[in-house]
Amino acid sequence: AQSVTQPDIHITVSEGASLELRCNYSYGATPYLFWYVQSPGQGLQLLLKYFSGDTLVQGIKGFEAEFKRSQSSFNLRKPSVHWSDAAEYFCAVSSRQAGTALIFGKGTTLSVSS
Amino acid sequence: DVKVTQSSRYLVKRTGEKVFLECVQDMDHENMFWYRQDPGLGLRLIYFSYDVKMKEKGDIPEGYSVSREKKERFSLILESASTNQTSMYLCASSGDGALSGYTFGSGTRLTVV
Repeated sequence: AQSVTQPDIHITVSEGASLELRCNYSYGATPYLFWYVQSPGQGLQLLLKYFSGDTLVQGIKGFEAEFKRSQSSFNLRKPSVHWSDAAEYFCAVSSRQAGTALIFGKGTTLSVSS
Repeated sequence: DVKVTQSSRYLVKRTGEKVFLECVQDMDHENMFWYRQDPGLGLRLIYFSYDVKMKEKGDIPEGYSVSREKKERFSLILESASTNQTSMYLCASSGDGALSGYTFGSGTRLTVV
């Protein structure tokens, strides 16, 4: 069965430092891949997505993610974190087949220290 | 601005009650989804629907049912609420499978006492 693993439950990063959030997936074929962010008390917002082509994808708010097929990974990065980036981040995968749904990881909570 | 609207932000219900959570989208999307979100467990799929009157079970459908009589509305029903159904419930919709990503509602925090 397909699954998504986010190995880090909680990460603390200093403001201005770089960030990498890890995501590994288990899937029979190359899935669609997503990163969502949820700020406290807010709904989920799509940061970026990968379907095909260039394995480095750019998203909103200065985030990027790299798809590595050999490692079944889709890690999220940001070169310089801002205090407003403190939130919970979810990696998700979906089959390319119609009529299926997103499967989410358990999330990584990001704290930003000053 | 396109929206997914969940009718209640907070709900408190008693054990054994039948509970209806409503979700409406104004984007003419074919696909709609119900997830529950619990700390440390992420989002877990309860049910989804890819067409009117169609429904598919997700990973945790037990104790829940759904109704989709109109394209814009997808209701989640707790047949007999229990305390372990206390959770945040999130509704989402998408127009072309996952290609455009999902649009999420703000969630309903349900407490069953």
